[in-house]
Amino acid sequence: DAKTTQPPSMDCAEGRAANLPCNHSTISGNEYVYWYRQIHSQGPQYIIHGLKNNETNEMASLIITEDRKSSTLILPHATLRDTAVYYCIAFVVGGYNKLIFGAGTRLAVHP
Amino acid sequence: DSGVTQTPKHLITATGQRVTLRCSPRSGDLSVYWYQQSLDQGLQFLIQYYNGEERAKGNILERFSAQQFPDLHSELNLSSLELGDSALYFCASSVSGQGAMDEQFFGPGTRLTVL
Repeated sequence: DAKTTQPPSMDCAEGRAANLPCNHSTISGNEYVYWYRQIHSQGPQYIIHGLKNNETNEMASLIITEDRKSSTLILPHATLRDTAVYYCIAFVVGGYNKLIFGAGTRLAVHP
Repeated sequence: DSGVTQTPKHLITATGQRVTLRCSPRSGDLSVYWYQQSLDQGLQFLIQYYNGEERAKGNILERFSAQQFPDLHSELNLSSLELGDSALYFCASSVSGQGAMDEQFFGPGTRLTVL
């Protein structure tokens, strides 16, 4: 599975968009990019995933660069409840679903 | 609420002891995963079971073992406990356990403290 690199921490004002970057320069063609988040010490929560195309759901948008070497998770209108650690994970299509978590990005949303 | 339940929520025990953590997956999910989260190691994958059979193994110590029963609930057994085993233990479940479309749903975790 490709290694992912994320900034250790970010800040965002409530109501503004939070843009969380992830670098996965060694990603292979059959690896998806997944995003999970962990609020305080709760169990991680799935957010979104993608392969090549940009994706959007009710929680967030995922923008993947054309060369697939990096991606950005966008929370369009961050709220205080979005304060969490966000994990970007890459793993192989068809492989077993063990999630390899890195250190993630600690997002702090402030009033 | 993810639909995954874990018991107990908290567990305090002494070094050298043995404990069992229990997980009930979401209804219909066949795969169960165990993860350990400690302060110094972060979230680490331990082991995966699919429909009663071991499917994938991560950094699971030999002192730890797991199984998945016919009703699909799973137990993680930790023996000869050491101080360093103190951590949050998460269970997750998914429908199949293979393939990129398979989202994992995590339980609330069991906090183990070894004194």
